[in-house]
Amino acid sequence: KQEVTQIPAALSVPEGENLVLNCSFTDSAIYNLQWFRQDPGKGLTSLLLIQSSQREQTSGRLNASLDKSSGRSTLYIAASQPGDSATYLCAVQALADYKLSFGAGTTVTVRA
Amino acid sequence: GAVVSQHPSWVICKSGTSVKIECRSLDFQATTMFWYRQFPKQSLMLMATSNEGSKATYEQGVEKDKFLINHASLTLSTLTVTSAHPEDSSFYICSARDGDRAGKTYGYTFGSGTRLTVV
Repeated sequence: KQEVTQIPAALSVPEGENLVLNCSFTDSAIYNLQWFRQDPGKGLTSLLLIQSSQREQTSGRLNASLDKSSGRSTLYIAASQPGDSATYLCAVQALADYKLSFGAGTTVTVRA
Repeated sequence: GAVVSQHPSWVICKSGTSVKIECRSLDFQATTMFWYRQFPKQSLMLMATSNEGSKATYEQGVEKDKFLINHASLTLSTLTVTSAHPEDSSFYICSARDGDRAGKTYGYTFGSGTRLTVV
């Protein structure tokens, strides 16, 4: 059974600092990995999707890396802003049945 | 991009009544949709996979008679919580795998969620 772990569980930084969020998974037989953002009481917004054959994806201030063999992904957020405050979820899609397995999330607070 | 619309966004119902939640894919067809449940400060737990034109498949521990799923068309799946009780109060989120359009990356798109409170 796929186990997805996100570290740290919570993070508080001053505005302008770079954020580093970590995700690890136990089964490397994945189709892809997706990073989501969730605001309180809201659904999930997809931030980046990395196919299993890719090493990284970038979108604006966001960059995500994937090392499938070691079961790790890292989400970098450059020059953080208060609007980046949210919970960030990592999810891996299984190769066998395409189901998603989620980490517990990292709750980020960016202080103005 | 792909959009999944979920309604209602919140609902309060009395214990013993049933509540229906709708999930629609707006700009793509989804032969498969997924229903998740999320408890406060916890991650999402997959409840069931909704298959268009056939029965839903439920994850272990999920009561199929309590959580009725219907996927009657390629753009609509519904989750009905039957005979709701306070312990069913939770945040329910649907999603669809955006893989039904040729050439599209097979990622997931999520609805905005439904906050169910049973009193």
